Amino acid sequence: ETGVTQSPTHLIKTRGQQVTLRCSSQSGHNTVSWYQQALGQGPQFIFQYYREEENGRGNFPPRFSGLQFPNYSSELNVNALELDDSALYLCASSHGTDNYEQYFGPGTRLTVT
Amino acid sequence: GDSVTQMEGPVTLSEEAFLTINCTYTATGYPSLFWYVQYPGEGLQLLLKATKADDKGSNKGFEATYRKETTSFHLEKGSVQVSDSAVYFCALGRGGYNKLIFGAGTRLAVHP
Repeated sequence: ETGVTQSPTHLIKTRGQQVTLRCSSQSGHNTVSWYQQALGQGPQFIFQYYREEENGRGNFPPRFSGLQFPNYSSELNVNALELDDSALYLCASSHGTDNYEQYFGPGTRLTVT
Repeated sequence: GDSVTQMEGPVTLSEEAFLTINCTYTATGYPSLFWYVQYPGEGLQLLLKATKADDKGSNKGFEATYRKETTSFHLEKGSVQVSDSAVYFCALGRGGYNKLIFGAGTRLAVHP
């Protein structure tokens, strides 16, 4: 059974640029959630994708957007990067939309300079 | 709104000491409660869970009991090991989709 994988591992971007992060869900899981974890803080829910549609969103602006593909993998896109976007971005997969037992990937460390 | 509060770290213990990490929550209804662990350089791993009042979750010697009357879900282990050194996150799930609300995390350092 393949776990949740994320790419890239690390990324450095300049303020104002755009970034795309990728996630492959665990085998058999059809739901992907994205979280932002600032240094020294707990993860904050960004949004969830199920059946290729956004199915729940946290308190993040529209410049945070996503996609889910037919194979359940997902992308997180962030436009107009700000310094405060520097964080560890975690992807989590699960089966179904009412299942809090989620499996997390190792994360992508984004640094915005 | 819903929230989770954890005791501040770091918590520093000697090997074989007893561990308690306090967690309290604020939520309407009956959320599910979780403890996740994050080892250095890794993502979060589910440690244990409880889905209703008085449930006890347990795994790898760790335990936590869902206390509705005190809105708490304290993590305990009778004898910690150096390999338990990590950051521990308490979380709640509620709302109809898979959103987890996390506490700020508690860093545990166990020395020989």
